[in-house]
Amino acid sequence: KAGVTQTPRYLIKTRGQQVTLSCSPISGHRSVSWYQQTPGQGLQFLFEYFSETQRNKGNFPGRFSGRQFSNSRSEMNVSTLELGDSALYLCASSLTTFTDTQYFGPGTRLTVL
Amino acid sequence: DQQVKQNSPSLSVQEGRISILNCDYTNSMFDYFLWYKKYPAEGPTFLISISSIKDKNEDGRFTVFLNKSAKHLSLHIVPSQPGDSAVYFCAAFLSSNTGKLIFGQGTTLQVKP
Repeated sequence: KAGVTQTPRYLIKTRGQQVTLSCSPISGHRSVSWYQQTPGQGLQFLFEYFSETQRNKGNFPGRFSGRQFSNSRSEMNVSTLELGDSALYLCASSLTTFTDTQYFGPGTRLTVL
Repeated sequence: DQQVKQNSPSLSVQEGRISILNCDYTNSMFDYFLWYKKYPAEGPTFLISISSIKDKNEDGRFTVFLNKSAKHLSLHIVPSQPGDSAVYFCAAFLSSNTGKLIFGQGTTLQVKP
């Protein structure tokens, strides 16, 4: 069974631009959650989607948004990029809820210049 | 305000012995607690979770204990193996309102052969 895939793997943007990251969960998984990983802040939870609905949300500004499609694939969008948005963005999928076993993708490394 | 704390930045144990990783939290309303493992230059891996209505959950060599009165949870790894050397994060989930998952800062475990 294929694992969680994320595209692109690496991305370089400049301040003020926007970016869209994509996550394809494991087949049959309906919960997709997103995380930001930085050396300074560690791991932080962005949001979780289930059945095309945002079910849980962390403490990130409205510039960070996401959506989930009917096939459970998910996208995350960051608008008006700031230098501090440089991070590894991870998504994880699970069958029904992220409090059960999650499987992480390799992440998208975003660099904002 | 750090709601989830891992007060030991690092821990070193001998192969075959028990590793105990600790995590303290401040909010008695957390519903679930999760542990993740992360190797350098890789994304995290989900390890084990526990509901707040339980006090113990076991999965192979990994056992998580929850002491609600002390607002403390711990991850026991028995027996420890060199491949367990990684950074371990605990996280707490609050389902009320929009739902938040809050991570601790991580503890680096080194298992010596």
